[in-house]
Amino acid sequence: GAVVSQHPSWVICKSGTSVKIECRSLDFQATTMFWYRQFPKQSLMLMATSNEGSKATYEQGVEKDKFLINHASLTLSTLTVTSAHPEDSSFYICSAPTSSLQETQYFGPGTRLLVL
Amino acid sequence: ILNVEQSPQSLHVQEGDSTNFTCSFPSSNFYALHWYRWETAKSPEALFVMTLNGDEKKKGRISATLNTKEGYSYLYIKGSQPEDSATYLCAPTTGTASKLTFGTGTRLQVTL
Repeated sequence: GAVVSQHPSWVICKSGTSVKIECRSLDFQATTMFWYRQFPKQSLMLMATSNEGSKATYEQGVEKDKFLINHASLTLSTLTVTSAHPEDSSFYICSAPTSSLQETQYFGPGTRLLVL
Repeated sequence: ILNVEQSPQSLHVQEGDSTNFTCSFPSSNFYALHWYRWETAKSPEALFVMTLNGDEKKKGRISATLNTKEGYSYLYIKGSQPEDSATYLCAPTTGTASKLTFGTGTRLQVTL
């Protein structure tokens, strides 16, 4: 199957700093990637859809100025958590669909963020 | 936002037992239903994508059925093995936009 990598796998930062998370499709091109967030004991919640060459589409309640998404190439999307606060501590995971009709999505391993 | 429910939340079975769990979702505007297996410290792994009412798919000892009219899907595991221990997630979609709405998952633990 297709492979998606994510970096870093975990990060600890001080409140007020910005953190960048990378999502790469290693063996296929992805014009669209998705960013999800998971809080403890909750389901994966879609944050935004990252579109190569255009602006990301954010889900309701997700601040676009706080969670900056850049999809600069067909294999890389980045999520930057700006001015992180403790409430941003969560598990962030990306996915990318292949071009097949049924659009199976391949997930990265996720990034655990802890903001002190 | 779709209301997706999975039951049970967790399940503990012994090696060799067969088991099944449920995913319920709204039947209106249905497009496809995805099942994923998520082992600790790994990426979620796609198991099945199902679209048609009555669909049944199989992958080794794991199979799934789909009822789009009443809005549910069953996942079956025959002869559970310790390596089947994982969280099983389902996610329906309402169109070709590929936006997945996940349930909270069923956490399966298989012991010897």
